[in-house]
Amino acid sequence: EAGVTQFPSHSVIEKGQTVTLRCDPISGHDNLYWYRRVMGKEIKFLLHFVKESKQDESGMPNNRFLAERTGGTYSTLKVQPAELEDSGVYFCASSHLGGLVTEAFFGQGTRLTVV
Amino acid sequence: AQSVTQPDIHITVSEGASLELRCNYSYGATPYLFWYVQSPGQGLQLLLKYFSGDTLVQGIKGFEAEFKRSQSSFNLRKPSVHWSDAAEYFCAVGPAGYSTLTFGKGTMLLVSP
Repeated sequence: EAGVTQFPSHSVIEKGQTVTLRCDPISGHDNLYWYRRVMGKEIKFLLHFVKESKQDESGMPNNRFLAERTGGTYSTLKVQPAELEDSGVYFCASSHLGGLVTEAFFGQGTRLTVV
Repeated sequence: AQSVTQPDIHITVSEGASLELRCNYSYGATPYLFWYVQSPGQGLQLLLKYFSGDTLVQGIKGFEAEFKRSQSSFNLRKPSVHWSDAAEYFCAVGPAGYSTLTFGKGTMLLVSP
């Protein structure tokens, strides 16, 4: 069974440009999460999809970030326009829906550098 | 609001020595606790988790952790460290039913020969 896959693994863009990160969750996982780690800080929650619906987007930093999950499968996270403070590692995670005990499986992350 | 504190940013341990990484949490309800590891170039991998029951939990790669409610702690231990354990370790807490986790800042483990 394939794990959570993220593309690209690294991205270097200039301030003001647009970048789109992609996450392919584990097949059958209805929960999909985005997290971000800015250098030197903790990993922070950005948002949570249940299938194609946004369940919780309280962690999204501002309206330059747009997340979508078309058809409840893969998800994209677009940053437009990118700013220097957006640099960091963006993690995606997925898990099964339902039950009291859940476990998130994480991808390897996308390292975004805005210069 | 929930929070996780990992007081040690870096720890250096000699190969073969024992290891304990500290984690303290603040959470309003019954905590669901996790330890993740990120090796260089890899994603976050779950080492172990605690939901209920026995407060000493066993994980992969020979790691274990003990939940102490009175101390709000969930420290990670390994009796004998291997060079391949050099990585960054993250403690996290979350609610039941979802996986919206609150992470600590991580502890970087260095293993000396």
